[in-house]
Amino acid sequence: QKEVEQNSGPLSVPEGAIASLNCTYSDRGSQSFFWYRQYSGKSPELIMFIYSNGDKEDGRFTAQLNKASQYVSLLIRDSQPSDSATYLCAVRIGTGGFKTIFGAGTRLFVKA
Amino acid sequence: GAGVSQSPSNKVTEKGKDVELRCDPISGHTALYWYRQSLGQGLEFLIYFQGNSAPDKSGLPSDRFSAERTGGSVSTLTIQRTQQEDSAVYLCASSLGGEVGNTIYFGEGSWLTVV
Repeated sequence: QKEVEQNSGPLSVPEGAIASLNCTYSDRGSQSFFWYRQYSGKSPELIMFIYSNGDKEDGRFTAQLNKASQYVSLLIRDSQPSDSATYLCAVRIGTGGFKTIFGAGTRLFVKA
Repeated sequence: GAGVSQSPSNKVTEKGKDVELRCDPISGHTALYWYRQSLGQGLEFLIYFQGNSAPDKSGLPSDRFSAERTGGSVSTLTIQRTQQEDSAVYLCASSLGGEVGNTIYFGEGSWLTVV
């Protein structure tokens, strides 16, 4: 089992719709969870992080964390063509150090 | 500097040669990470440095790969006897520390092509 798993997609949504991206992780000791966006040929950039159960909202983005079920999700409201990118889930593992493991990413296409 | 700086930005090398990739983290950041990303793939964890602690080398794919961090700042990733499968972008990142919530900031990457 991979430490961080994401559906590779591609996920295609129409402009203005809600995009839902999911991620599961295997280490129950994990403490912090991050969502990064990566455009083709560019480095990942942080969207937001979450470390408490529940929802965290930042503009059009909402991160959701459920530690009991070991999943974290990202909702993008009012999706725009400029949101088309690969979304990477990252988990900071809290046992034996604080290394951060990334999922393989989900490709999102927002159709105009 | 203002961000994570990596050099070289692009490197083409012949199979069997050694390469060194350099990373200068954000000033004051005690944690430093190396990741590898092959074309169309996710980020593969290689190694993690945190302050003066022993590095976590659990992601290094073979003994041809090594990394060091001098003076708690600049890091060098060395790949010996390069193979074609080593071709990838090598991303360095840094963060303030290992505490919960500290964000990782990435450099622009070193694109390695082994021919």
